Amino acid sequence: EIVMTQSPATLSVSPGERAALSCRASQSVSINLAWYQRKPGQAPRLLIYGASTRATGVPARFSGSGSGTEFTLTISSLQSEDFAVYYCQQYDNWPRTFGQGTKVEIK
Amino acid sequence: QVQLVESGGGLVKPGGSLRLSCGASGFTFSDYYMSWIRQAPGKGLEWVSYIGPSGGTIFHADSVKGRFTISRDNAKNSLYLQMDSLRAEDTAVYYCATERGGWIDDWGQGTLVTVSS
Repeated sequence: EIVMTQSPATLSVSPGERAALSCRASQSVSINLAWYQRKPGQAPRLLIYGASTRATGVPARFSGSGSGTEFTLTISSLQSEDFAVYYCQQYDNWPRTFGQGTKVEIK
Repeated sequence: QVQLVESGGGLVKPGGSLRLSCGASGFTFSDYYMSWIRQAPGKGLEWVSYIGPSGGTIFHADSVKGRFTISRDNAKNSLYLQMDSLRAEDTAVYYCATERGGWIDDWGQGTLVTVSS
């Protein structure tokens, strides 16, 4: 099973600032990586797939990069609605596996 | 608009069984891969089971293999998860989800399964 490791566990950021979230795979997953946003009491929302393709309706301030084992989700200018938990997920192999999440909180 | 509505969760004793259902609407159900994903209290997301559009392709996580069975009824736009020999570690919120290319496009709101004596 491919282990996905996200860092940091918690990121404290002020509104308007840039946030960079990291996701590392235990072996190469090519670009078969997705990012999700999850707010309390809600199901996760797809943000990025194919490592860098934004899902429908996702604002341009969200961008994904990377390939192989190292990936980054960048939020260029944090808005109040962006404070949430973010998960990465690989779909290169079965079983699909998720990272443990990065919580983005208000500084 | 895609809607996925799970049902069938509840409290069950260790060793017991439950059958989860997921009603789908707003898309052509028979065209989609479908999955069950769970999140235990204080834990991360875990992919449980996966089924192809016609039901011919099925995967189960090692943690549930031999105990859980995923199935679907395309005529009823419904997805199922039969859970047998339940254990305390199966306690979680179970989500029904659509999968297109390996990622999850849409999630239901989840149904809570609690395994406790």
